[in-house]
Formats: sequence, structure tokens, C-alpha cells
Amino acid sequence: GAGVSQSPSNKVTEKGKDVELRCDPISGHTALYWYRQSLGQGLEFLIYFQGNSAPDKSGLPSDRFSAERTGGSVSTLTIQRTQQEDSAVYLCASSLSSSGRHYNEQFFGPGTRLTVL
Amino acid sequence: AQKVTQAQTEISVVEKEDVTLDCVYETRDTTYYLFWYKQPPSGELVFLIRRNSFDEQNEISGRYSWNFQKSTSSFNFTITASQVVDSAVYFCALSELYNTDKLIFGTGTRLQVFP
Repeated sequence: GAGVSQSPSNKVTEKGKDVELRCDPISGHTALYWYRQSLGQGLEFLIYFQGNSAPDKSGLPSDRFSAERTGGSVSTLTIQRTQQEDSAVYLCASSLSSSGRHYNEQFFGPGTRLTVL
Repeated sequence: AQKVTQAQTEISVVEKEDVTLDCVYETRDTTYYLFWYKQPPSGELVFLIRRNSFDEQNEISGRYSWNFQKSTSSFNFTITASQVVDSAVYFCALSELYNTDKLIFGTGTRLQVFP
């Protein structure tokens, strides 16, 4: 079956513009995660969705970042008024569930490389 | 607070050498998982292994082996007889069972294996 897909694969934008990054999780996966990989910074958690529960937004770096997940499937990460420090690879991952009782492996997409000029 | 430290930023070895990648973690939870991921030049994260906090048995998979020691909060990864195809960035990660399963990653170790 298809894995996690992300679009676009590359995005170049000008400082101050808004961007939207899309993630299509694996069908049937109820948990969805966004991570960011900045040069020299490793991977950092941004936001997590699980079913109809309120998302865990604890990793979002500023209020310019937001995300939504429509219909429990596709997710969009929006960055408003982009800054140069937002340049990074944005990775999406999905898993079967996050029940708190056992771990379900996260499957990662190929990422979207965002460059803010 | 949770934290994963990979002190080795970059390691270079010659093919057939053994190499160990270090990982030290911090967590206040008693139930957690530890992971290693490989990120080759293509960029996709490849899952290598998951261990839970109750299982300290070392694991071997082909040329890969992992040494989990709770006493030192370490989860080290050894590649035996390294090959050029092992060249990649390797990430160690921690997930606390009751914390949304989000992964806390280390900063990664870039391994370069030269022929």
C-alpha cells in the first residue's frame, strides 16, 4: 500500500509570504505528527493529531505556525509570514494510533524542503 | 524533561571497520521506548530498531547491534564491518509511553564510510 506522502517536495518562498504544506497519511492511521528538521538542529516535534482529540501543539515554535487535519485524514501545516529561520525540511509521520498503552510505529513521509529567501 | 544526546556529530571510518554510535537519554518516566533511525542521502527516515524500557537485552541484527543500559541511560548502536552503504545520518530517539508517542530526537551522527 501507499506510504505517507507529502507535497510539495520542495517549496521556495519569499520572506513574509504564507505557505501551506500537505501531508497524506497512510490510510487507516489515526495518529499524525509533524516534525521539522533544520540544518544542524536535528528533528524536532511540532504537532500531533489523534482522532478527534484536541491536537498537541506543544512543539509549534510560534503563533505563525498552525496545522489542521480535515476529516481525520489529510493534514495541512501552515506557516504565516515566513522567516528565513523557517527554512527546513518538514516531515510528516503517521501511525495506527496512540493509545497510551502500547507503541505503534511511526511511518515517515519524504518531507517538504522549505526555503525562505 | 526528555532529552536525547548524541555527542558524536560526525564519524569517519574506512570500510570493514567497526563503529559505535553513542546515545544518552533523559526521562523521568519509567515506561518509554528508544529508537534508532537511519537517514541516507535520499532523505527518508528509515526505522532500524525499537526497544522498550523493560527490555535490556542486547539485540543483534546482521551487522547491527544495540546495547541498552538503563544504569547509564544509554542506547548505543554498533555497526560491525562497516560498508559504504552505511553512510548516513543516524538518529537516536525517545518516546514516553504516556506522552502522545511523539519522538524526541537527538541531533544525529553523520557516519561516513570510505572505501
